[in-house]
Amino acid sequence: KAGVTQTPRYLIKTRGQQVTLSCSPISGHRSVSWYQQTPGQGLQFLFEYFSETQRNKGNFPGRFSGRQFSNSRSEMNVSTLELGDSALYLCASTPSGGNEKLFFGSGTQLSVL
Amino acid sequence: AQKITQTQPGMFVQEKEAVTLDCTYDTSDPSYGLFWYKQPSSGEMIFLIYQGSYDQQNATEGRYSLNFQKARKSANLVISASQLGDSAMYFCAMRENTGGFKTIFGAGTRLFVKA
Repeated sequence: KAGVTQTPRYLIKTRGQQVTLSCSPISGHRSVSWYQQTPGQGLQFLFEYFSETQRNKGNFPGRFSGRQFSNSRSEMNVSTLELGDSALYLCASTPSGGNEKLFFGSGTQLSVL
Repeated sequence: AQKITQTQPGMFVQEKEAVTLDCTYDTSDPSYGLFWYKQPSSGEMIFLIYQGSYDQQNATEGRYSLNFQKARKSANLVISASQLGDSAMYFCAMRENTGGFKTIFGAGTRLFVKA
């Protein structure tokens, strides 16, 4: 069974641009969550989706948004990029979104110049 | 507010010795899960061990065990017989249902295993 796939692996953008990151969960997994990892702030929860519905959201500005499709694939969008958005963005999936371990992708390294 | 605290930014251990990584948490939810993940320098997050809030016994997975003290709200990870490949960042995490499931992470502990 294939693992969680995140694309692209690396991304370089300039301030003010927008970016879309993609995450394909493990087949059969219905829940996808997103995390931002930076050296200063550690791992911060962004949001979690289950069956196309956002179930929980972290403390991030409205520039950060996401969605989940009927095949459980998820996208995360960041508009009007700022230098501070430079981070490793990790996606994780779980089978049913309950009290389960997270299966992580390799992440997308975003650099904002 | 939910909170996970890892007070050891860095730890050194001699190869083949045991090491304990500390984690305390704070929650008012009676049902929650506690997890430890390992992140090597390559960046991938690897699940190590899970403890449910209602589990009576401490979880064990091979060389990993979780010392769960519910009253003290602590969930320390014990790695026995350390190996060079254990050098990595270790994150304690808590998952709970606050109007929707959410996992929060501690700041992490970087473990260095010395030969």
